[in-house]
Amino acid sequence: NAGVTQTPKFQVLKTGQSMTLQCAQDMNHNSMYWYRQDPGMGLRLIYYSASEGTTDKGEVPNGYNVSRLNKREFSLRLESAAPSQTSVYFCASSELLAADTQYFGPGTRLTVL
Amino acid sequence: KQEVTQIPAALSVPEGENLVLNCSFTDSAIYNLQWFRQDPGKGLTSLLLIQSSQREQTSGRLNASLDKSSGRSTLYIAASQPGDSATYLCAVSSRTGNQFYFGTGTSLTVIP
Repeated sequence: NAGVTQTPKFQVLKTGQSMTLQCAQDMNHNSMYWYRQDPGMGLRLIYYSASEGTTDKGEVPNGYNVSRLNKREFSLRLESAAPSQTSVYFCASSELLAADTQYFGPGTRLTVL
Repeated sequence: KQEVTQIPAALSVPEGENLVLNCSFTDSAIYNLQWFRQDPGKGLTSLLLIQSSQREQTSGRLNASLDKSSGRSTLYIAASQPGDSATYLCAVSSRTGNQFYFGTGTSLTVIP
């Protein structure tokens, strides 16, 4: 039982490049989330998926897109990376949307040069 | 928009001391409040979840309380140990949105 897994762990991009961050959970949870964590700012929600087939914007969605591929997988795409997107990205899941315990992945540390 | 504040930003205590971490929030219309622990370079680990109808939750040496009317929660750690050293974050799930709002955390160091 791996919980929430994320790939890659580290990534360096140049401005304008694109990439997709992958997230998978094996707890059969309905809801999944993408956050970014920046020093002094706390965690901020980028996008969430209440259930398979649905996605919604969170607090800071600009510059990102998401896909809920199936119940297990939720990916985050940066179409044209910018230095302001340098951050640590966390994926999380829960059984019910924002109503019970969230379980987090280990994070992806992204640097955009 | 819900604002979550954690003070102090950093705390250093000798081993064995009991301590309290504070979390305050601006909108009392919440579903629940969750306390997390984050070790350096790692993800978040859930410690305790308090539903809006509850006043407190306990797990081992940890006790979390919730006072919705005043917009406050505390995390009490009894008999602190060096292994408790980490950053502790609180997050509030607001009834006005479908998401958690996080504080910036308290960095705890327990000195042997």
